[in-house]
Amino acid sequence: DTAVSQTPKYLVTQMGNDKSIKCEQNLGHDTMYWYKQDSKKFLKIMFSYNNKELIINETVPNRFSPKSPDKAHLNLHINSLELGDSAVYFCASSPGGRGSEQFFGPGTRLTVL
Amino acid sequence: AQRVTQPEKLLSVFKGAPVELKCNYSYSGSPELFWYVQYSRQRLQLLLRHISRESIKGFTADLNKGETSFHLKKPFAQEEDSAMYYCALSPISGSARQLTFGSGTQLTVLP
Repeated sequence: DTAVSQTPKYLVTQMGNDKSIKCEQNLGHDTMYWYKQDSKKFLKIMFSYNNKELIINETVPNRFSPKSPDKAHLNLHINSLELGDSAVYFCASSPGGRGSEQFFGPGTRLTVL
Repeated sequence: AQRVTQPEKLLSVFKGAPVELKCNYSYSGSPELFWYVQYSRQRLQLLLRHISRESIKGFTADLNKGETSFHLKKPFAQEEDSAMYYCALSPISGSARQLTFGSGTQLTVLP
């Protein structure tokens, strides 16, 4: 299937731990994104990479570090997890250019205990 | 700064009734507007965008620059339309087309 995939789908962990969420797209897109959806279902951009280069870095704690080993992958590493990090994290990709649609992954539900 | 406002968090209509989901935006340049939908237990997906000027699943949305609105409409709602709807804005230019989302409207179509 051609799509955006994320692993894991669910992640439950203790405060203070370090965890990673992986994202892969096989659509040949140049641009990838991470979004956070909070408990009120509000979606907010966190990061964007274009051809492995960081383009957007919104006001996100530096405990969050994106890593793009190649343009098909954009992983999210989170250090020293806090209760407030509990959310659903969505990866997305787009081909870039005017009017390009963003394709979303299924989301990763992170619960910090 | 860009902002998208969806004033209704919850909206319920009966099957067959018209439905309108409101969206207002503020942006200093020329934006591109989208509606994304998230059905229960599914990923977020594009429903329609203003530059396409098309109707998807019976939904239409017209960009009104004077009122800075991009309301989503459907003349006859169906139960399968029940979902979370997000209005989103993106700059037309730029190397990364980040989306600014509204807070979403949960639509429930009652039988």
